[in-house]
Amino acid sequence: AQRVTQPEKLLSVFKGAPVELKCNYSYSGSPELFWYVQYSRQRLQLLLRHISRESIKGFTADLNKGETSFHLKKPFAQEEDSAMYYCALSDTGGFKTIFGAGTRLFVKA
Amino acid sequence: NAGVTQTPKFQVLKTGQSMTLQCAQDMNHNSMYWYRQDPGMGLRLIYYSASEGTTDKGEVPNGYNVSRLNKREFSLRLESAAPSQTSVYFCASSEQGLGHNEQFFGPGTRLTVL
Repeated sequence: AQRVTQPEKLLSVFKGAPVELKCNYSYSGSPELFWYVQYSRQRLQLLLRHISRESIKGFTADLNKGETSFHLKKPFAQEEDSAMYYCALSDTGGFKTIFGAGTRLFVKA
Repeated sequence: NAGVTQTPKFQVLKTGQSMTLQCAQDMNHNSMYWYRQDPGMGLRLIYYSASEGTTDKGEVPNGYNVSRLNKREFSLRLESAAPSQTSVYFCASSEQGLGHNEQFFGPGTRLTVL
């Protein structure tokens, strides 16, 4: 069964500290993986996707097929990074996307 | 270019009442989706429409119906609301195909069922 697991409901770090939001998935095939972010009072929006291999707002995520993980990392957290982060997986047809339960990141001054 | 719009933004219903949540997108996307967002459970797919004229059940379809009125509009109906349907509802749309599966979300509808 397709599943996305985000083991941490809440992650609290100090400004300037490194941050890693964990995401593990189960999928029989070649998935497309995403990180979405929801800032306070804003819409849920795409942060980055594995197929683009890009860095957005200093965040990167590497797909590790062996460990079936897609962890989100940033070397130096900023207060404006405080938000709800969702890892998501899309099937090869692209019609359905499965979201993890989300991790709330709180960056303290 | 408004993207994905939803109405209403807030709604309070009594148990047993019915209502329809409206969603429209102006990005000419083929696929549209309805999710509910509950604390600790993330976003769960209720129904989706891969293309105009088709609809399919998602993870939690019970108690809901949908209509893909045309390419732009995708509505969600609660025939007999229950307190368990208290949630925030998000509509989304996307193009489809490899590398084009980014979903664009509406602002959400906060629904309370008493």
